[in-house]
Amino acid sequence: GAGVSQSPSNKVTEKGKDVELRCDPISGHTALYWYRQRLGQGLEFLIYFQGNSAPDKSGLPSDRFSAERTGESVSTLTIQRTQQEDSAVYLCASSHRTSGSRFSYEQYFGPGTRLTVT
Amino acid sequence: AQTVTQSQPEMSVQEAETVTLSCTYDTSENNYYLFWYKQPPSRQMILVIRQEAYKQQNATENRFSVNFQKAAKSFSLKISDSQLGDTAMYFCAFGSATSGSRLTFGEGTQLTVNP
Repeated sequence: GAGVSQSPSNKVTEKGKDVELRCDPISGHTALYWYRQRLGQGLEFLIYFQGNSAPDKSGLPSDRFSAERTGESVSTLTIQRTQQEDSAVYLCASSHRTSGSRFSYEQYFGPGTRLTVT
Repeated sequence: AQTVTQSQPEMSVQEAETVTLSCTYDTSENNYYLFWYKQPPSRQMILVIRQEAYKQQNATENRFSVNFQKAAKSFSLKISDSQLGDTAMYFCAFGSATSGSRLTFGEGTQLTVNP
């Protein structure tokens, strides 16, 4: 089946502009995650969705960052008033999670969106 | 909070040889999962192998195996018969139910397989 897809693949924007990054998870995956990867570094957790609710937003670096998800489908990460330090690859992942407290198993990643703020 | 440390920023190995990548982690939890992900230049994160902490047996996936030492909080990845396609950045990751299912990643090890 289709994997996680993200769009756009690359985005160049001017400082101060708003950007929207899109993620389409694997069909049937209830959990969705956003991570940020700065050049040469590991992944930083941003936000986690279970269905369309976000029980964990603790990784969002500032109030310029927000995300939403429609049902158990598409998610959009929005960065307002972009700054140069926002330049990074933004990765989305999805996983299948059972109800209750069972841990989500492995996460499947999309190819990422490379954001460059000039 | 959990932390994951990969102390080898770069490693290289000759084709067909064996290489081991190191990972240590810190947690006070008893039930958790550990993963190794591979990220080639295409940026696509690919799951290589996973280990459940409650299992004593080390996970194995074809040429990839782990050495999981729970008491030492160590989780190394061994790649046997290295192939050119194994060239990539490798990330060790930790996850648990109490951390809200987020994964905590190490800084990565860039592995280069030389012909």
